[in-house]
Amino acid sequence: GAVVSQHPSWVICKSGTSVKIECRSLDFQATTMFWYRQFPKQSLMLMATSNEGSKATYEQGVEKDKFLINHASLTLSTLTVTSAHPEDSSFYICSARTQAKNIQYFGAGTRLSVL
Amino acid sequence: GQNIDQPTEMTATEGAIVQINCTYQTSGFNGLFWYQQHAGEAPTFLSYNVLDGLEEKGRFSSFLSRSKGYSYLLLKELQMKDSASYLCAVRGFSGGYNKLIFGAGTRLAVHP
Repeated sequence: GAVVSQHPSWVICKSGTSVKIECRSLDFQATTMFWYRQFPKQSLMLMATSNEGSKATYEQGVEKDKFLINHASLTLSTLTVTSAHPEDSSFYICSARTQAKNIQYFGAGTRLSVL
Repeated sequence: GQNIDQPTEMTATEGAIVQINCTYQTSGFNGLFWYQQHAGEAPTFLSYNVLDGLEEKGRFSSFLSRSKGYSYLLLKELQMKDSASYLCAVRGFSGGYNKLIFGAGTRLAVHP
């Protein structure tokens, strides 16, 4: 299957700081990438859909000014959690879809802990 | 509205067969997916059904009935490493565009 690389895999930060998470499609071009959040023992919740060269589409209840998404190229999307607070601690997972197969592949995830 | 239901937990014995069911109600339908997720890791793709019928891939098979809004994932010759959560996801239409909607997942425990 297609490979999606996500970095960093784990980050600990102080409350009030910003954290950037990168998501790269390594062997295919992804015009659309997705950002999910998952709390313990819960399923994946879609936060936003990132389209290359245009603004991201956010799900209801997700603050666009807090979760900044940039999709500058066909292989890279970034999620920046601004002014992070302890309630933002979660498992963030990016996903990219291959146009050829209509299948979404997931990155390894980033575990964010805000102290 | 969008709704995907699957059992919360299941247990099975090593070497046995287990079937995980999923029912869904979504606005629009553009495919049903099954993913495996081990604790603390990202989901890995298992199968994709867009037409009715059975898709077989090694020890894993997935079935879809669009008229019934029903799918199942069949795991054969269970191994201990199959202990994981299995996520049923449907690509449906919501908020103006297609998106993948996940069920809560079924935690499968395989015992010796």
